[in-house]
Amino acid sequence: QVQLQQWGAGLLKPSETLSLTCAVYGGSFSGYYWSWIRQPPGKGLEWIGEINHSGSTNYNPSLKSRVTISVDTSKNQFSLKLSSVTAADTAVYYCARTPIAAAGRSCMDVWGKGTTVTVSS
Amino acid sequence: EIVLTQSPDFQSVTPKEKVTITCRASQSIGSSLHWYQQKPDQSPKLLIKYASQSFSGVPSRFSGSGSGTDFTLTINSLEAEDAATYYCHQSSSLPFTFGPGTKVDIK
Repeated sequence: QVQLQQWGAGLLKPSETLSLTCAVYGGSFSGYYWSWIRQPPGKGLEWIGEINHSGSTNYNPSLKSRVTISVDTSKNQFSLKLSSVTAADTAVYYCARTPIAAAGRSCMDVWGKGTTVTVSS
Repeated sequence: EIVLTQSPDFQSVTPKEKVTITCRASQSIGSSLHWYQQKPDQSPKLLIKYASQSFSGVPSRFSGSGSGTDFTLTINSLEAEDAATYYCHQSSSLPFTFGPGTKVDIK
C-alpha cells in the first residue's frame, strides 16, 4: 500500500523560501507524476505543479516564477521550494500521486496528510 | 485555464436522502473529471475518476456521470459519515484545476 510522508518547516517569515519534501513508501516511483497542491485556510484546492521520475516538470503559471519542484529517485522523494513567500502563501500543502494515463493525466489517487505552513512576521 | 464551477455551494441533507452535486467546466474536458471527498482536517480522498469510474474501496452509494462540460456526483442514501466537502478536478489540460467545493452537512 503506497503511502506519502511529507515534512518541512511550518513557520516562515515573509521573503523566506518554503521547503517541503514528500517521500514515497511501498510503491513504484516511476510511471507516475508527483504533485504538490495547497489549500489556504477555509478555502479550496490549488494545484502548484508536478514532476515525474525523469525530472520533467509542469507548474501552475500563477506560481511558476517562484516554484521549483525537484526529485531524488535514489530516495523515492520529491521536493517543493517556493521562494519569496508572503502571508498569501499560508496554507496546508499536500503531496499527491498521479498515474500517467494513455492520454494526458489521470486523477490524484494517493495523498499525503498535509503540512501546515504559516507565513508571519 | 479551465475553470470549474460547482453547485450548490452548500447542502444540508437528512440521512438516507439523495444528494446531487454538479460540476461545470468552462470548456470541454471529455471525461477527464475526477471527484474527491475532504473531511475536516483530513486530506482529500479520491471517490470517482474519469467522470464515472468508482475508485477502489469507495462505497457503491457514490456514483458519477457526465462528459464534455457537465458532470454530476450522486450520493444515494446519504449516511452521517458522508458529511464533507466535495471537489471536482480536471486533468484535461494544464494547469490542472479544482472546483470551489460543495459542503454537505447532515441535518
